[in-house]
Amino acid sequence: DAGITQSPRYKITETGRQVTLMCHQTWSHSYMFWYRQDLGHGLRLIYYSAAADITDKGEVPDGYVVSRSKTENFPLTLESATRSQTSVYFCASSVGGERSPLHFGNGTRLTVT
Amino acid sequence: GQQVMQIPQYQHVQEGEDFTTYCNSSTTLSNIQWYKQRPGGHPVFLIQLVKSGEVKKQKRLTFQFGEAKKNSSLHITATQTTDVGTYFCAGPSTGNQFYFGTGTSLTVIP
Repeated sequence: DAGITQSPRYKITETGRQVTLMCHQTWSHSYMFWYRQDLGHGLRLIYYSAAADITDKGEVPDGYVVSRSKTENFPLTLESATRSQTSVYFCASSVGGERSPLHFGNGTRLTVT
Repeated sequence: GQQVMQIPQYQHVQEGEDFTTYCNSSTTLSNIQWYKQRPGGHPVFLIQLVKSGEVKKQKRLTFQFGEAKKNSSLHITATQTTDVGTYFCAGPSTGNQFYFGTGTSLTVIP
């Protein structure tokens, strides 16, 4: 969907480096989510946010930090990247409420060497 | 915690054959959503089921929600090469979190 943009599309970084993945949505959706996708594990929730300045942990939050100072942005930071964080990362947004569908960005493929 | 399991993990079918993927939750779900992810793409919302025993159709796709609201299925009749991709179910948890199943990857052989 054009309304949610992730950058970069591809990133290669070294172990121990800090890296930030960006997510921007133009719908003014309240909720935003970060998922990682790995073979055999499907999509696993890392962090989510119900509104600006409100964030909460998902299934696999260790090693990640998020912030949401503005409704439209929800960056994900790997403070000290590890090889196990090599994955495809998807940002998603929704209006909110458990019956709201998620709208996903195109993903960021991150490789940690 | 909540777990959503999907089977099978992979399915290869000849074009024209039917395909079914099953989703099972360890807890009762208020609703279930289905998504499709084309190879190299991102998940795209297909449909949501809310009521116990609900059945919905989208052309050749039939979605069912179990009576106990703990399982669901997606059935594709007469598969086409355009059906290739990974199909995910997802159920809500507390705080509007969505837990996704492990997905079923469908390959259609022409």
